Amino acid sequence: GESVGLHLPTLSVQEGDNSIINCAYSNSASDYFIWYKQESGKGPQFIIDIRSNLDKRQGQRVTVLLNKTVKHLSLQIAATQPGDSAVYFCAENMRWGYSTLTFGKGTMLLVSP
Amino acid sequence: GAVVSQHPSRVICKSGTSVKIECRSLDFQATTMFWYRQFPKKSLMLMATSNEGSKATYEQGVEKDKFLINHASLTLSTLTVTSAHPEDSSFYICSARLAGSRGMNEQFFGPGTRLTVL
Repeated sequence: GESVGLHLPTLSVQEGDNSIINCAYSNSASDYFIWYKQESGKGPQFIIDIRSNLDKRQGQRVTVLLNKTVKHLSLQIAATQPGDSAVYFCAENMRWGYSTLTFGKGTMLLVSP
Repeated sequence: GAVVSQHPSRVICKSGTSVKIECRSLDFQATTMFWYRQFPKKSLMLMATSNEGSKATYEQGVEKDKFLINHASLTLSTLTVTSAHPEDSSFYICSARLAGSRGMNEQFFGPGTRLTVL
């Protein structure tokens, strides 16, 4: 289930389940979005990105959905594995081609074997 | 793939001293590097954007005299925390943007540096 801690929401799932991590972004002018995975004590790792002219993009075991109407982004992970346990951040960028990113608050994903 | 390193990975220093953190792009040239700080269980906050050969652009609320950034080459940027205090203790992360790229996925993150100020 999902719980909201003092600072970081946590999603706990069983191995093999599908996970959905949600993100509400702040700026309606943002036109590019990225999902990052961050393991404890490490830097963020790129997972998947999407431009605002799309509403869905698929990668290997991951899918990103974008709903611009409500400024909502989600990351779906199929057949979640213990190695997927990490904190997941969405990041938005206001203008394509400019590198400044604004990161969301993050969600901790805990996968039980 | 593109690799970004940071050195040191961990540093403990006394209050009032200065600490330098290096960020290197190992197998690519980066015209732009970014410095972030991250508190426990919090998100990454952009501190500054560093362009090779020019002055860094600092985000609002970040003291440029406190956090000195130098980007002397296409593969190296340094962040110096001057006169560090316990409230500067944090996880500092750099990222590097591939030279000539226009897309966001050409920004690669380092492993971070854990700074603890006693």
